[in-house]
Amino acid sequence: SAVISQKPSRDICQRGTSLTIQCQVDSQVTMMFWYRQQPGQSLTLIATANQGSEATYESGFVIDKFPISRPNLTFSTLTVSNMSPEDSSIYLCSVVDGYQPQHFGDGTRLSIL
Amino acid sequence: GENVEQHPSTLSVQEGDSAVIKCTYSDSASNYFPWYKQELGKRPQLIIDIRSNVGEKKDQRIAVTLNKTAKHFSLHITETQPEDSAVYFCAASKDFNKFYFGSGTKLNVKP
Repeated sequence: SAVISQKPSRDICQRGTSLTIQCQVDSQVTMMFWYRQQPGQSLTLIATANQGSEATYESGFVIDKFPISRPNLTFSTLTVSNMSPEDSSIYLCSVVDGYQPQHFGDGTRLSIL
Repeated sequence: GENVEQHPSTLSVQEGDSAVIKCTYSDSASNYFPWYKQELGKRPQLIIDIRSNVGEKKDQRIAVTLNKTAKHFSLHITETQPEDSAVYFCAASKDFNKFYFGSGTKLNVKP
């Protein structure tokens, strides 16, 4: 399966600031996704990162708050903008290649003070 | 959109016993059903999956069954071991375009 590198692994940020999370895959993949996992909760899909076009956001998530880029088939970024304590969570990227199973990065543990 | 429900939310078994986790889905077009195991502080890891053209799949102590008519699928773990303790998530997908996750089951295997 693809090797997924996600950075940073954790961060502590001040409210009102923004943080960009990177997801790098060691091979080209068709789909890249971004999830949020709040403590003790399930995975909630934020958006599908589309190569060369705007991401597709799920209900409750907007581009102004979570801008996403995917410049090529191996890399994507998620920015958490104007952070508040409610944004404290784990953010995970995942990849799917064709009809192969979805695999996850190690996640970014984000705390907002 | 798809809605995946998962039960139970917590499950405690004695080492060596079997554990069963059940999920239902709402969209009959869903055709791929993976199961993930997530240990504390780690990423979800795929443990087994099943596609809609198959009714059952087994991998050593782990098996998954799918009932398309009833729209439910189950994870079966036999001869449980303490290292099976984790949170398990089911998911459903149509053509791998998007994945909808269940709420998770915390499995505790008591030695």
